Amino acid sequence: EAQVTQNPRYLITVTGKKLTVTCSQNMNHEYMSWYRQDPGLGLRQIYYSMNVEVTDKGDVPEGYKVSRKEKRNFPLILESPSPNQTSLYFCASSLVWGTGPEGTDTQYFGPGTRLTVL
Amino acid sequence: GENVEQHPSTLSVQEGDSAVIKCTYSDSASNYFPWYKQELGKGPQLIIDIRSNVGEKKDQRIAVTLNKTAKHFSLHITETQPEDSAVYFCAASKAYYGQNFVFGPGTRLSVLP
Repeated sequence: EAQVTQNPRYLITVTGKKLTVTCSQNMNHEYMSWYRQDPGLGLRQIYYSMNVEVTDKGDVPEGYKVSRKEKRNFPLILESPSPNQTSLYFCASSLVWGTGPEGTDTQYFGPGTRLTVL
Repeated sequence: GENVEQHPSTLSVQEGDSAVIKCTYSDSASNYFPWYKQELGKGPQLIIDIRSNVGEKKDQRIAVTLNKTAKHFSLHITETQPEDSAVYFCAASKAYYGQNFVFGPGTRLSVLP
């Protein structure tokens, strides 16, 4: 089954304790992205990657790191989490990063990771 | 940078009626405009999208219109059904410059039976 998976789905941690949220897709997609979702703010892009070893900042990258060493994986790293990073996080992927043939830039979202930083 | 506004924030309609959600964007270079539906406890799912070289696109009960001059685009749902109840997000991106997506804040649609 074609899908984007995230782990963990729920995480409660404390300020300053490094954590990693994993994201994996099995569709051979070039493009992957991380978003955070907060009430009233919708989805805000944190980082995105157009291919292996190619990443760029979205609108809210502060406090986050990413890496893209393999095509299928795009982990989100919080080196020193703070309470303002408490949020619902989504990973997404699409086949291409530019405007390709119809449907190839459709973003598929994972199920989400609910993170609470105390 | 790009800014996307979305209205209304909440919308209630009777089953069978039409629903319209409107978005405006600020960056005239944006050229790809998807709409997503998010059901409770799930990730967003693409329902329809439109590119800047097209003014209107339709898929069964769902349609999207784009006015590049005014920099706004709208989602139209006809013959609404209870299962259309969800949060809907619009987004804008400049696909040729990578895909830095900017989403609107969302519209909570309730279809009353």
